[in-house]
Amino acid sequence: AQSVAQPEDQVNVAEGNPLTVKCTYSVSGNPYLFWYVQYPNRGLQFLLKYITGDNLVKGSYGFEAEFNKSQTSFHLKKPSALVSDSALYFCAVRDYYGGATNKLIFGTGTLLAVQP
Amino acid sequence: DAGVIQSPRHEVTEMGQEVTLRCKPISGHDYLFWYRQTMMRGLELLIYFNNNVPIDDSGMPEDRFSAKMPNASFSNLKIQPSEPRDSAVYFCASSPSGSGANVLTFGAGSRLTVL
Repeated sequence: AQSVAQPEDQVNVAEGNPLTVKCTYSVSGNPYLFWYVQYPNRGLQFLLKYITGDNLVKGSYGFEAEFNKSQTSFHLKKPSALVSDSALYFCAVRDYYGGATNKLIFGTGTLLAVQP
Repeated sequence: DAGVIQSPRHEVTEMGQEVTLRCKPISGHDYLFWYRQTMMRGLELLIYFNNNVPIDDSGMPEDRFSAKMPNASFSNLKIQPSEPRDSAVYFCASSPSGSGANVLTFGAGSRLTVL
């Protein structure tokens, strides 16, 4: 079965510093990977996706993610963190059983806290 | 577009009562999803529809839960009878097919508290 793991429950970073939120995946077949963000009392919002092509994917709000096949990772990055980036971040993978589906499997989430 | 619209935003009910959560997806989206979020279990997919047809309901906890999508602009999730362990935030999401597939737009959620 497809799965993603987010090894850190929380990441703390100072404003202006680079940030990384980690995600590793386990899939059969080609991975379709996603990052979503959830602000307090809101639904999740799509940030970016990797389907194929360039390993560095750029998304909304200055975020990017690097697909690394050898390490089975898809870490979310941003060169300079903002206090407003503080939120819950979810990695996700498209499910696949006997064929591609439109179902996403989400990780457990990583709380990003950016200190001013 | 107003996005995915869910109602009610908050619901407090007593154990044993019927609960109905409603969702209006984005017009033109072919897929509709119901997720449940709790601290203990994270984000769980309950059921999803394609063109109003249920495709996968393997995440529906038990027979107390049911979901319908009578037309392309409306879905509801019912819990009857409700139990305290059903307390959670329930999200509806929709997505297009094709190249936009898996890019879900979520509603703001319905926070359910069962006493």
